Amino acid sequence: EAGVTQFPSHSVIEKGQTVTLRCDPISGHDNLYWYRRVMGKEIKFLLHFVKESKQDESGMPNNRFLAERTGGTYSTLKVQPAELEDSGVYFCASSQARHRSSYNSPLHFGNGTRLTVT
Amino acid sequence: GDSVTQMEGPVTLSEEAFLTINCTYTATGYPSLFWYVQYPGEGLQLLLKATKADDKGSNKGFEATYRKETTSFHLEKGSVQVSDSAVYFCALSPTDSWGKLQFGAGTQVVVTP
Repeated sequence: EAGVTQFPSHSVIEKGQTVTLRCDPISGHDNLYWYRRVMGKEIKFLLHFVKESKQDESGMPNNRFLAERTGGTYSTLKVQPAELEDSGVYFCASSQARHRSSYNSPLHFGNGTRLTVT
Repeated sequence: GDSVTQMEGPVTLSEEAFLTINCTYTATGYPSLFWYVQYPGEGLQLLLKATKADDKGSNKGFEATYRKETTSFHLEKGSVQVSDSAVYFCALSPTDSWGKLQFGAGTQVVVTP
């Protein structure tokens, strides 16, 4: 099966511009997560979709970040306007089930999008 | 809140050496624990997991034991290869929020021939 796919792999933009990151989860995975790793620091949870609904967006840093998952398939993460501190690697992950007993369905991560804001 | 602390890198060692990466955690309840690995140019891959105290996760020669008394989940491998060069992340999944992983900062491991 195809894995989690993220586009683009790299993006370099200027401060104040807008960038949209895309994630295609594994087909059939209802759960979709966004994470971010700022340079050298830990990977931080941003938000969680169950199908098209936002289940938990407690990790979103501020209102410059907007995530959508129309139709419950792919997801986009828009940063508008971008700031220097938004630079980092943005990971998307998907999973088939959410219940604790389903530990055989771990999160599958994409390769990430490296965002550089100059 | 929940947190994960792992040893800083980079860790540089020779092929066939013994590898240990320390990981300790702080969490309420009974979290699940994971080690993820990121090889150069690739995404995060689940290396191993443990879901309850005293469980031992193992994969590709790596092992880690869930120690509740010391709140630790140290990663070990008896004989590393050059192909094990990667960044290793310790992570926990809270009891009530499967998928909302709390990661450590990552440890870069470099294995030289």
